[in-house]
Amino acid sequence: ETGVTQSPTHLIKTRGQQVTLRCSSQSGHNTVSWYQQALGQGPQFIFQYYREEENGRGNFPPRFSGLQFPNYSSELNVNALELDDSALYLCASSLGALAGSSYNEQFFGPGTRLTVL
Amino acid sequence: AQKVTQAQTEISVVEKEDVTLDCVYETRDTTYYLFWYKQPPSGELVFLIRRNSFDEQNEISGRYSWNFQKSTSSFNFTITASQVVDSAVYFCALGSREGNMLTFGGGTRLMVKP
Repeated sequence: ETGVTQSPTHLIKTRGQQVTLRCSSQSGHNTVSWYQQALGQGPQFIFQYYREEENGRGNFPPRFSGLQFPNYSSELNVNALELDDSALYLCASSLGALAGSSYNEQFFGPGTRLTVL
Repeated sequence: AQKVTQAQTEISVVEKEDVTLDCVYETRDTTYYLFWYKQPPSGELVFLIRRNSFDEQNEISGRYSWNFQKSTSSFNFTITASQVVDSAVYFCALGSREGNMLTFGGGTRLMVKP
């Protein structure tokens, strides 16, 4: 069973540029959630994709957007980068919240560390 | 709105000491889930435990134990006989039944010195 993978591991961009981060979900998982973790803080929920549709969004501006593909992998796109976007971006996959009555654990990838200069 | 508070930002202990990490949560949901994750320097969040709001039994797993008290909205985590390998940042998180969104606390950095 393959775990959650993310690419790239590190990325350096300058203000105003655009960036795309990628996530491959764990085998059998149909839900991907993205989190932003600023240095010294807890992760903050950006949005979630369930079966290729956005299924919930946190308090992030529209320049944060995403996609989920038929194989359930996902992309996070950030336009017009700002210095405060520098963070560790974590992707988590799960089976989805609607499977039976149990809560499905989110399995996290290693993250992409984005630095905006 | 959901909120998780980890009042201890940093704890330092000597190996073999017991240590308790505190977590207090706020939610209006009647059904919810509480989690603990460990984040070593590599950055990946490692799942430790999940508890359901309707199950207040404490749990022990090896050197780890968890104390869930609904009356005080707390879900504390104790490491017995700490080891250097326990050094990491630990996050408490709250999830709702309706979705997979997790609300994380600010984390507690645990340093275990030899």
